[in-house]
Amino acid sequence: TQLLEQSPQFLSIQEGENLTVYCNSSSVFSSLQWYRQEPGEGPVLLVTVVTGGEVKKLKRLTFQFGDARKDSSLHITAAQPGDTGLYLCAGAEDSSYKLIFGSGTRLLVRP
Amino acid sequence: SAVISQKPSRDICQRGTSLTIQCQVDSQVTMMFWYRQQPGQSLTLIATANQGSEATYESGFVIDKFPISRPNLTFSTLTVSNMSPEDSSIYLCSLRTGTYEQYFGPGTRLTVT
Repeated sequence: TQLLEQSPQFLSIQEGENLTVYCNSSSVFSSLQWYRQEPGEGPVLLVTVVTGGEVKKLKRLTFQFGDARKDSSLHITAAQPGDTGLYLCAGAEDSSYKLIFGSGTRLLVRP
Repeated sequence: SAVISQKPSRDICQRGTSLTIQCQVDSQVTMMFWYRQQPGQSLTLIATANQGSEATYESGFVIDKFPISRPNLTFSTLTVSNMSPEDSSIYLCSLRTGTYEQYFGPGTRLTVT
């Protein structure tokens, strides 16, 4: 079973700061997705990356898929309190439709 | 993306009872999934529910404990049977559209006392 490790587990920062969340595995994924989950709600899909080295931007969020498709990062520029939530990466195994979820990064952005 | 609704949104149940969670989608989808999210944890796949076939369960989950129905392409149910406090979790249904994208319902927050 492939495992996805996320770091850091918890992050508390001041509004306006930048941050990066990492998602790492020893195995190759055919695609990787990032979700944000707020309390009392289901995860909301932010982005899907499928090509090694791919970079996608969503406003202040920048997502990168590693060249070898084993890791990914999420960078947030000038974080805002509205960015607070649980960030989850999830990878699809090459031979399967199933998503493997990372351990999650809980982000708190203080005003 | 499809609109996914779940009922109930939350419930408090007594040990030993069963609860059936419903998942309704506003469009036809082939692949639906049920996940569990224990307090403060990430998501764990319980089973894959395809219409017209038996659900496929992941290691650690069995049909007797989590029976699933998938009567058509827009609806599925998950039953949590003979509940214990360890079953207290958020239960999420999910569907896959296209090649990669997967979307989640709002979840059902279950507390077992």
